[in-house]
Amino acid sequence: QVQLVESGGGVVQPGRSLRLSCAASGFTFSNYGMHWVRQAPGKGLEWVAVISFDGSNKYYADSVKGRFTISRDNSKNTLSLQMNSLRAEDTAVYYCVKESGDNHIAALDYWGQGTLVTVSS
Amino acid sequence: QSALTQPASVSGSPGQSITISCTGTSTDIGGYNYVSWYQQHPGKAPKLILYDASKRPSGLSNRFSGSKSGNTASLTISGLQAEDEADYYCTSYINSGTFRVLFGGGTKLTVL
Repeated sequence: QVQLVESGGGVVQPGRSLRLSCAASGFTFSNYGMHWVRQAPGKGLEWVAVISFDGSNKYYADSVKGRFTISRDNSKNTLSLQMNSLRAEDTAVYYCVKESGDNHIAALDYWGQGTLVTVSS
Repeated sequence: QSALTQPASVSGSPGQSITISCTGTSTDIGGYNYVSWYQQHPGKAPKLILYDASKRPSGLSNRFSGSKSGNTASLTISGLQAEDEADYYCTSYINSGTFRVLFGGGTKLTVL
């Protein structure tokens, strides 16, 4: 079965960096686009970034563009999110999410359990 | 780009039907059929319940249905059950010169 397991969350000071990882299993990772979606405490969902199946295309929400970098290692079935210059408003649960593929754009069919990032001094 | 507009809350009694709307613009919902809906129970990860505006993932109950007209998409849940009580989010693909995904603000469904 499809499994997405995030790691790397924690408490970090404003302005510092953090790297999230997502270990994928149960499907052919290299065939699917992957997303990061976040949810601030008590708030709604916010799309963060997407990377194409082969890593050649990457897109970001305006709120993180220039500070966050999405990447993947298809040899290790791993998705990453490098977060720099963190701000208090980046505090959220970060979900690793698989796209369903077959040109069903932005249909996100499997979600990890999430990892909490808290930006605080 | 503002979030898609959803009602903050809706409610219904067991067995009834409810509809949740999701309003966007011609550059997102109105421009593409790439609307998805997600169900999220407290403390849990979201779950895909509809994609391409009206398609259900394999194995999902046919009590969930979707439609789209112009700039508004809708999720209808028929035969309400207690376990349907959750938050529901719509999303749409948007191409404003670059690929983006836009989420609605979410709707809290209460089963009375």
